[in-house]
Amino acid sequence: DSGVTQTPKHLITATGQRVTLRCSPRSGDLSVYWYQQSLDQGLQFLIQYYNGEERAKGNILERFSAQQFPDLHSELNLSSLELGDSALYFCASSVGQTSYNEQFFGPGTRLTVL
Amino acid sequence: GENVEQHPSTLSVQEGDSAVIKCTYSDSASNYFPWYKQELGKRPQLIIDIRSNVGEKKDQRIAVTLNKTAKHFSLHITETQPEDSAVYFCAARSDGNKLVFGAGTILRVKS
Repeated sequence: DSGVTQTPKHLITATGQRVTLRCSPRSGDLSVYWYQQSLDQGLQFLIQYYNGEERAKGNILERFSAQQFPDLHSELNLSSLELGDSALYFCASSVGQTSYNEQFFGPGTRLTVL
Repeated sequence: GENVEQHPSTLSVQEGDSAVIKCTYSDSASNYFPWYKQELGKRPQLIIDIRSNVGEKKDQRIAVTLNKTAKHFSLHITETQPEDSAVYFCAARSDGNKLVFGAGTILRVKS
């Protein structure tokens, strides 16, 4: 157990809908990273927050947004869902703001868009 | 942007043999190279990492080598065991604090 929690574990929804994925980092970690893992794209970095502020941005679609709250938990919002958004979404946390620090991954949320 | 290629995509070895997975990166400014192991249905976990000012790093049966000139780095696992069976991902830290991952290598250790 990495100490990073993610809810829900599984999510099944329909195209066009909006969902929110939640992540709580390890105690003491200030950075949260979001990744998308699909069979054809591998592990893709989406976005990083550090202590409430956006720190780095990857290949995140405009339909997706994220935020980190004062208690350091983070939410990833996915809207106007398409079939291709079906994937495993991981969040990871680390103590510092640079990606030199070890990232601890949560168990993931499996999103299925029908 | 950074691009990381990983080979082979699958690797089968006999228990006790060595396994080598290779990655190449495109951005010469990349300076940090972690390796993650992901067991079936589980989360990725860091197993070893190396910074660009070091050529080799070892941790028990696992080692990573880095050739900055050629822009490639490799994971070496010696005396493989069945519990080493997993998907291994290499990554490179690119500009903007992003980790760019390779496509992964499925390692099967046959007993």
